[in-house]
Parts: sequence; C-alpha cells; structure tokens
Amino acid sequence: QKEVEQNSGPLSVPEGAIASLNCTYSDRVSQSFFWYRQYSGKSPELIMSIYSNGDKEDGRFTAQLNKASQYVSLLIRDSQPSDSATYLCAVGGATNKLIFGTGTLLAVQP
Amino acid sequence: EPEVTQTPSHQVTQMGQEVILRCVPISNHLYFYWYRQILGQKVEFLVSFYNNEISEKSEIFDDQFSVERPDGSNFTLKIRSTKLEDSAMYFCASSKGIEAFFGQGTRLTVV
Repeated sequence: QKEVEQNSGPLSVPEGAIASLNCTYSDRVSQSFFWYRQYSGKSPELIMSIYSNGDKEDGRFTAQLNKASQYVSLLIRDSQPSDSATYLCAVGGATNKLIFGTGTLLAVQP
Repeated sequence: EPEVTQTPSHQVTQMGQEVILRCVPISNHLYFYWYRQILGQKVEFLVSFYNNEISEKSEIFDDQFSVERPDGSNFTLKIRSTKLEDSAMYFCASSKGIEAFFGQGTRLTVV
C-alpha cells in the first residue's frame, strides 16, 4: 500500500513568518510530487510541483525534495492570513493518478 | 483561465438511486480523473481515463461505478445504486500530462 504521510496540524504561525510543511512517502520509485492548497469546503488547488531533488521556488513558495529520504516539504515565506488552509501533499503514480496525504492545516495568525 | 467545471454543485439522492455527476475538463487536456473526499478524510483516487478508456481504477471503483466520455467535452461518473457511504465530495480533474487541475466538486448526499 503506497502511503503519503503528513502531520495533520494545526500548524500555527504568526503573520510574516515562514511556514514549513512536511510530507513523507513510501513508494521509493515515485517521480512526481505536488502540493495542493485546499480551503475549507473547496477543491484542491495546485500550487507547486517538483520532480528533481533540491529546491524549486515560485514566489513565496519553495518546494524541497529529497528522494533518498523520501521527503517533500513546502516552505511559505512571509505567511499571510489568506494562506490559512489545508495543504495537501500528493505523489504521482504510474497512470498520473495522485495519492494524497491527509493534509496539514495551516493557521496564520494576524 | 481555463478551468474544470462540474455539475451539479450539490446532489441529494435517495439510497438505491442512480446518480450521474458531470464534468467538463479543460479543453486541451488528455487525461481525466475522478476523486472523492469523504468529510474530514483524505482525497482518494477513484479512476483515471485516457484515450477513451479507463487506465487505472482503485478498489473503491467497483461495479457500481462507471465513467463515460459521451462526447468531445463531457466526462461523467455514474453511480448505479447509491449507498449511504457514497456521500462525499466528488472531484473531477484533468491534465495534459502530470499536473492535474481540479473542478470545484459535487457534494453528493445520500439519504
């Protein structure tokens, strides 16, 4: 059974701080990794994808991948109250299906 | 910006009834998916569809479920005889390749 694990949180950070979200996965051959943001009652919204070891930056977001440790993370710099949401880690499978973690609830305190 | 659209946004049905959830994927996308999310739980893969056939399905996607692309734009999920435990948000997604974009979802309530 392929698993994606995340701490459910809540992770509470003050406005302007860096939020660090973590994810581990069990399938060593996985090649594609994604972070989705999900506001309460809404659908997942793709915010980052990463395929190679190292860092990938997009605006205030940085995704980090370490395939040897089977670990993916998302850093959100200068966190804003509007970033408060559940962040879903997803791992891509052979037919492009996604296996999701349970998500980490992020609360940014003004 | 192109988006995946789903109808209806909310469907209430009686146990044992058939429901059809509809989706219009992004127009130049080739891969289509259905996922579901039971309240408070993780997003779960149901089925992927490519080149007019199912490419993968999960163990959740049993004989009660079917998918169809009846024309060039729509992608549907049919549940033949709904059960109480089918109550969930159902998300359609589409992708050109690896990155999948989700519709706003259909909340299915089985009573």
